[in-house]
Amino acid sequence: EAQVTQNPRYLITVTGKKLTVTCSQNMNHEYMSWYRQDPGLGLRQIYYSMNVEVTDKGDVPEGYKVSRKEKRNFPLILESPSPNQTSLYFCASSLGGGPQHFGDGTRLSIL
Amino acid sequence: GENVGLHLPTLSVQEGDNSIINCAYSNSASDYFIWYKQESGKGPQFIIDIRSNMDKRQGQRVTVLLNKTVKHLSLQIAATQPGDSAVYFCAEIGGYNFNKFYFGSGTKLNVKP
Repeated sequence: EAQVTQNPRYLITVTGKKLTVTCSQNMNHEYMSWYRQDPGLGLRQIYYSMNVEVTDKGDVPEGYKVSRKEKRNFPLILESPSPNQTSLYFCASSLGGGPQHFGDGTRLSIL
Repeated sequence: GENVGLHLPTLSVQEGDNSIINCAYSNSASDYFIWYKQESGKGPQFIIDIRSNMDKRQGQRVTVLLNKTVKHLSLQIAATQPGDSAVYFCAEIGGYNFNKFYFGSGTKLNVKP
């Protein structure tokens, strides 16, 4: 089954404790992206990757890092999480220029 | 960033009626638009897309209309069913960067039985 898998689905943690949200897709898509979803603000793009070792900033990259060492994986790293990064996060992938397939989301709470 | 928004945050319709969800965008150079459906606890799911060289595109029970003159697109759902209840987003690929996606804040569709 074609899918985008995120882990964990839920995480409660404390300020400053580094965390990584993993994202994996099995569709051989070149393009992958991370979004955060906040009430009233919709989905905002954090980072995207056009292919292995090629990443670029979206609209809200501050406080986040990404890497793309393999085509199927695109982890999101919060080096020093802060409460304003409490949000619902989505990973997505697509063939270049096409509609994105989304994971089911990761709900992060930073205390 | 791009300004992609929706006119109505909530839309209630009777089962069997047609639904129309609207979306406005600000960048006249935008080339590609997508409608997504998001059910509670799930990620957005692709419904239908349209490119700027088209005015209309039809899918199964859904039609997207694009009016480039007023920078507006709409999603029409025919014979709305309870399973259509969800939040609907329009998304725009930025006119100057085809790797950046901009999403509206969403319209919640409630289908009354």
